[in-house]
Amino acid sequence: GQQLNQSPQSMFIQEGEDVSMNCTSSSIFNTWLWYKQDPGEGPVLLIALYKAGELTSNGRLTAQFGITRKDSFLNISASIPSDVGIYFCAGQSYNQGGKLIFGQGTELSVKP
Amino acid sequence: KAGVTQTPRYLIKTRGQQVTLSCSPISGHRSVSWYQQTPGQGLQFLFEYFSETQRNKGNFPGRFSGRQFSNSRSEMNVSTLELGDSALYLCASGVSGANVLTFGAGSRLTVL
Repeated sequence: GQQLNQSPQSMFIQEGEDVSMNCTSSSIFNTWLWYKQDPGEGPVLLIALYKAGELTSNGRLTAQFGITRKDSFLNISASIPSDVGIYFCAGQSYNQGGKLIFGQGTELSVKP
Repeated sequence: KAGVTQTPRYLIKTRGQQVTLSCSPISGHRSVSWYQQTPGQGLQFLFEYFSETQRNKGNFPGRFSGRQFSNSRSEMNVSTLELGDSALYLCASGVSGANVLTFGAGSRLTVL
């Protein structure tokens, strides 16, 4: 199935470090979404981006909608142990309704 | 406000059997989408229902089907189960679909 290219696949960082991950696509999207999934749970929405070039923050998280509409990045500043989990990007097109195309995920491990 | 509720959370079936999974969306949400999550393929879109009509469909065989009731609750059915159908099945609801989706915790299906 169709997937976005998300990198890196995994990260092992020290508590307090900043983290950056990104997604690229060959297709244009109207909306970019970033989700976090904890073990045994469904993905939880972190940030939604609706406009090319948009930069949005949610606490220590910052995400941007690429100007070409084909990419997005997520930054986490001053990581803490509870940031551990799998982060997914997802793209959505207006004419595709509830169909999200997901990246493969970035697994984040934070060492106290 | 209750979230998206999926039942059952865990189930074990054998090859050839069929299974029905249930999803109750957030009150007021009329769009329900289903996703399959596996380690190899990641999160893949199955289908979306809006106002009891299938609005979008992913690339899955006809053994995967779904429906939505007048109260927006949705069910998905997988017939003639195969080992490869073992996965976490996630349901997500949205106000209209072209919007951010809220995911349930998922139903973990194991096919033996």
